[in-house]
Amino acid sequence: QQQVKQSPQSLIVQKGGISIINCAYENTAFDYFPWYQQFPGKGPALLIAIRPDVSEKKEGRFTISFNKSAKQFSLHIMDSQPGDSATYFCAAPQGAQKLVFGQGTRLTINP
Amino acid sequence: DTGVSQNPRHKITKRGQNVTFRCDPISEHNRLYWYRQTLGQGPEFLTYFQNEAQLEKSRLLSDRFSAERPKGSFSTLEIQRTEQGDSAMYLCASSLLGVGSLRNYGYTFGSGTRLTVV
Repeated sequence: QQQVKQSPQSLIVQKGGISIINCAYENTAFDYFPWYQQFPGKGPALLIAIRPDVSEKKEGRFTISFNKSAKQFSLHIMDSQPGDSATYFCAAPQGAQKLVFGQGTRLTINP
Repeated sequence: DTGVSQNPRHKITKRGQNVTFRCDPISEHNRLYWYRQTLGQGPEFLTYFQNEAQLEKSRLLSDRFSAERPKGSFSTLEIQRTEQGDSAMYLCASSLLGVGSLRNYGYTFGSGTRLTVV
């Protein structure tokens, strides 16, 4: 049974700063690790994902760093903006069919 | 295609009543998932379909819960004899078959149905 542990539970960052959220997983036979972003009243939306044939993936201000030996991956948000204020979830595969999600990190960017 | 659509957006029901939610996935997606999300928690897997076949159900899905996906298109999730503990956001997601490419494997979630049992 896959378990995904996410930290911190909440995070406050000043505008322009770097937001870092961490995730640890147990075991998986499939290498696919996404981050989802959720705004109040909305469903989660895929933000960025990595397949660990690389240790890092960058899309704009968002970067995933992956450490396969430690079974950890993290989301970095550079130059954080108030519009980034949301809840972020990491996820890891359980089998080939479904994702198991972390408990979420509530990110607040102060202007 | 406007994405994954869920109806209703909100449902308030009295304990003991039955409720049914509907999900219309992205038309070319043959995989459909139901998740439940309680306040302050991540989505928890309930069940998934590949076309019309229900291939996996979570232990969270008690006998009071049933899901269908007739003809492999829209899906319904029914909760019978609702309890206060059923209050949650019920999320539907869809995806393309296969794990080959990143795009095909990503979930697209709907906005969810928020259920309140009073």
